[in-house]
Amino acid sequence: NAGVTQTPKFQVLKTGQSMTLQCAQDMNHEYMSWYRQDPGMGLRLIHYSVGAGITDQGEVPNGYNVSRSTTEDFPLRLLSAAPSQTSVYFCASRRAGGVTSTDTQYFGPGTRLTVL
Amino acid sequence: AQTVTQSQPEMSVQEAETVTLSCTYDTSESDYYLFWYKQPPSRQMILVIRQEAYKQQNATENRFSVNFQKAAKSFSLKISDSQLGDAAMYFCAYRSANTGNQFYFGTGTSLTVIP
Repeated sequence: NAGVTQTPKFQVLKTGQSMTLQCAQDMNHEYMSWYRQDPGMGLRLIHYSVGAGITDQGEVPNGYNVSRSTTEDFPLRLLSAAPSQTSVYFCASRRAGGVTSTDTQYFGPGTRLTVL
Repeated sequence: AQTVTQSQPEMSVQEAETVTLSCTYDTSESDYYLFWYKQPPSRQMILVIRQEAYKQQNATENRFSVNFQKAAKSFSLKISDSQLGDAAMYFCAYRSANTGNQFYFGTGTSLTVIP
């Protein structure tokens, strides 16, 4: 059981370049999320999805796009990379439930992105 | 938006001793969930323990337990019999029971375990 996988592990971009961070999960989880982690700050939610075809913005969505065409995959696109997007990016997934659900959120290993 | 505050950027503990990490949060909601995550140098986030706000009983998982004070909006993590493998960054997190998938994280506490 692979859980949540992310590729690549490391990436260096030049300002203005675009790229896609890949995220996949094999647990049939409905909910998926993208976070960024910066020094001295907690994880901040970029975008999330509650199912295939449904996405929404989190706390820091500017400069990022997402789509969810399948349950398994939730790619994050950087449209025109900026140095401010240098960060570690985490993808996470969890099973949907009712309002009383406390299901565990499973995280991928992270992608370290540097924008020069 | 909800805020989660961890006021201890760094903590240290002797091996086999007990340490408590602090977390406070701000919310106007009554139904929510609280979590402690561990992030070792491998960077992967690992769930340590979770607490439902509607439960008065504090959650425990082996050597890990919480002190949940709902009125004070406080959620501390106690690690007993600390082990070298407990060294990591610890994050407190909040999730509303009503908004599905938005988690709010604190800034983390770096725990060092001294042999």
